[in-house]
Amino acid sequence: SQTIHQWPATLVQPVGSPLSLECTVEGTSNPNLYWYRQAAGRGLQLLFYSVGIGQISSEVPQNLSASRPQDRQFILSSKKLLLSDSGFYLCAWHGPSEAFFGQGTRLTVV
Amino acid sequence: GIQVEQSPPDLILQEGANSTLRCNFSDSVNNLQWFHQNPWGQLINLFYIPSGTKQNGRLSATTVATERYSLLYISSSQTTDSGVYFCAVDSRRNKLIFGTGTLLAVQP
Repeated sequence: SQTIHQWPATLVQPVGSPLSLECTVEGTSNPNLYWYRQAAGRGLQLLFYSVGIGQISSEVPQNLSASRPQDRQFILSSKKLLLSDSGFYLCAWHGPSEAFFGQGTRLTVV
Repeated sequence: GIQVEQSPPDLILQEGANSTLRCNFSDSVNNLQWFHQNPWGQLINLFYIPSGTKQNGRLSATTVATERYSLLYISSSQTTDSGVYFCAVDSRRNKLIFGTGTLLAVQP
């Protein structure tokens, strides 16, 4: 079965510091992978998606970037964090009829 | 782009009560899913239901694709049902568009 590992679970970072969140997938090959952000409140905003190694599509202009160095690895990064980057970040894999999410990373920028 | 609206935005129930959550979408879809996000943030897929009706225990869902809405029914609610319920639709570009969710609180 498909499993998504995402870490760390919580992170407190100062403004201006770099960020690297990692997501790995097990149990599937060539997955479509996604990064979402959930701000305080409720909605999930799609940030990036990738259909293969080195292929990244950005949904909204922002202070973040994504990379896919391996088939089952998806990384969310920032060179300099802003206060507005705080939120709950979720990595996901979408199949034809299901979506699986990692446990999320709660990022607080101080 | 496609719009997804959910109602009600908030719902408080007593344990044992039934409820209906609604999801309206603005365009035809080929994929509709319902999710539950527990208080710890974990998102769990409940149903894949682009059309028709499905049931899983105390939960059931119905999608009327021609009228662009889906309903999630929760019967005999329990405190463990608390959390946020999302519907999400596929925009045919390998992307799920999420609604704003319904925050459910089930009180003992």
